Amino acid sequence: EVQLVESGGGLVQPGGSLRLSCAASGFTFSSYWMAWVRQAPGKGLQWVANIKHDGNEIYYVDSVKGRYTISRDNAKNSQYLQMSSLRAEDTAVYYCVTGHYGDLHWGQGTLVTVSS
Amino acid sequence: QTVVTQEPSFSVSPGGTVTLTCGLSSGSVSTSSYPGWYRQTPGQAPRTLIYKTNTRSSGVPDRFSGSILGNKAALTITGAQADDECDYYCILYMGSGIWMFGGGTKLTVL
Repeated sequence: EVQLVESGGGLVQPGGSLRLSCAASGFTFSSYWMAWVRQAPGKGLQWVANIKHDGNEIYYVDSVKGRYTISRDNAKNSQYLQMSSLRAEDTAVYYCVTGHYGDLHWGQGTLVTVSS
Repeated sequence: QTVVTQEPSFSVSPGGTVTLTCGLSSGSVSTSSYPGWYRQTPGQAPRTLIYKTNTRSSGVPDRFSGSILGNKAALTITGAQADDECDYYCILYMGSGIWMFGGGTKLTVL
């Protein structure tokens, strides 16, 4: 069974930084794309970033380019999201996601709150 | 910038059939967009229903089906049940490694 467990969320001040982690199990991690999806309170889903199985292709939504960095460690079956220059509008539940062609498996999410 | 469109809300009677759609503000949806559908209840993570237009994810009952209708992707729910009342999101592949969700449809069963 695919399991994705996020950690690292919390309260951070505007302009601050935070690093999210996702521990994966139940599948061959090194063979799958990984991604982060977020959901602001009361809002819809937003694809944030994704990384190819070997880390050689990475994509970001425009609103986080230059501020967020997605990475992975296939030896540790983990992916990460380094977030900097955080803004109030980055407040959201961040989900770790994997899958093929939209058949997505989801973690339970970790809440990031950007507020002074 | 192109956005993915969904009906903000929809209602269906218990036992009835409803079709939700997923389109593009500019252009048409095709199988090359790899449409996917997800449902989400409050406080829970989303769950995959349909991927690659019409393939049901593991464990999803055949009351849920996907298709292309005209220039949009569609999710049809037959025999609607009370616990189908939740939010439904579609996703489309936009090319160049980019995926985009629709704004979601809040389905009411009454």
